[in-house]
Amino acid sequence: NAGVTQTPKFQVLKTGQSMTLQCAQDMNHEYMSWYRQDPGMGLRLIHYSVGAGITDQGEVPNGYNVSRSTTEDFPLRLLSAAPSQTSVYFCASRRGWEQFFGPGTRLTVL
Amino acid sequence: RKEVEQDPGPFNVPEGATVAFNCTYSNSASQSFFWYRQDCRKEPKLLMSVYSSGNEDGRFTAQLNRASQYISLLIRDSKLSDSATYLCVVNKGGDNNNDMRFGAGTRLTVKP
Repeated sequence: NAGVTQTPKFQVLKTGQSMTLQCAQDMNHEYMSWYRQDPGMGLRLIHYSVGAGITDQGEVPNGYNVSRSTTEDFPLRLLSAAPSQTSVYFCASRRGWEQFFGPGTRLTVL
Repeated sequence: RKEVEQDPGPFNVPEGATVAFNCTYSNSASQSFFWYRQDCRKEPKLLMSVYSSGNEDGRFTAQLNRASQYISLLIRDSKLSDSATYLCVVNKGGDNNNDMRFGAGTRLTVKP
């Protein structure tokens, strides 16, 4: 099993650009989520999904959209990138209470 | 006040030392508690869940004090490989058990 995979690993955007961060898991987990991690702060939940077709907002959803058309994939869309969205983004899937994280995407918005 | 607070450290200890980390949480409705480990520039990985009665996994012991809303992690006989950041994780509780809140982490460096 590949576990949770994320692409790209690194990305630089200009303010106002849009992009999609990809996340996929092959463990057939129903629950998936997106977090961002900033220095001095814990991981903060952006959006999550409890199954295909179902998504909900987390702690910091503004500026991000998600969709869940399949169990495997959970892409995160930045609609109009801002410097405040410079961060490391982690996708995770969950079995029971254990979360399995992807390797992260380091995003810089100039 | 942050929902989950940890001493950021860093904790610098020699090999073989015992070290303890503390974590406090603000939501009394929280029901599930965890410690994750995160190596530098890597993703977090589950270290252990924290049960009400306390639990042990090898050199690691986790304790929960619901009355004080306090969680601890004790590492005995520290190894060089224990060097990492330790994240305290608490579910938000109430109607939403899917919302997990992370502390900012406590950094540990174990030196020879």
